[in-house]
Amino acid sequence: AQSVTQPDIHITVSEGASLELRCNYSYGATPYLFWYVQSPGQGLQLLLKYFSGDTLVQGIKGFEAEFKRSQSSFNLRKPSVHWSDAAEYFCAVVQMEYGNKLVFGAGTILRVKS
Amino acid sequence: DTAVSQTPKYLVTQMGNDKSIKCEQNLGHDTMYWYKQDSKKFLKIMFSYNNKELIINETVPNRFSPKSPDKAHLNLHINSLELGDSAVYFCASSQRDRAPPLHFGNGTRLTVT
Repeated sequence: AQSVTQPDIHITVSEGASLELRCNYSYGATPYLFWYVQSPGQGLQLLLKYFSGDTLVQGIKGFEAEFKRSQSSFNLRKPSVHWSDAAEYFCAVVQMEYGNKLVFGAGTILRVKS
Repeated sequence: DTAVSQTPKYLVTQMGNDKSIKCEQNLGHDTMYWYKQDSKKFLKIMFSYNNKELIINETVPNRFSPKSPDKAHLNLHINSLELGDSAVYFCASSQRDRAPPLHFGNGTRLTVT
């Protein structure tokens, strides 16, 4: 079965600093990978996705992620964090053989210091 | 226009009651889902429907019964509510013949007292 691990429960960065949120997955075939953001009291918003092709994918709000098959990772990055980026971030992988079943990691809470 | 809308946003009720949550999507998608987010923010799929047909049913107590009157609507009815049912329930939609992303609603926070 597929699984997603986000090793960091909380991360705190200063405003303007760079950010990297880690995500590791386990899946036998080529995965479809996603990053979502959830602001307090809100639903999930898709930041970016990887299906195939270029391993560096660009998303909304200045985020990017890099798929590294050798490391089974799909880490999310942003060069300069804004206070409005404070939220919870979820990495997910889809199990296409089970009807587009999305399997989520446990999430990483991002705090931004001013 | 809201793509995936859920009602109500908040639901507070007592143990033993029966309640329903409604979901509608205007994206023209043919697949809809219910996800549960527990108190630790862990998200897990409960059900998915494709063109009104149940596709995924993830070991959910049979007190939970999804109903899809058409492919734009997926409602969740919960019988005999228990304290452990307190959570945020998210509806989502996608096109099954293409990989996600799923579009999520803003959630329904259910509190059982």
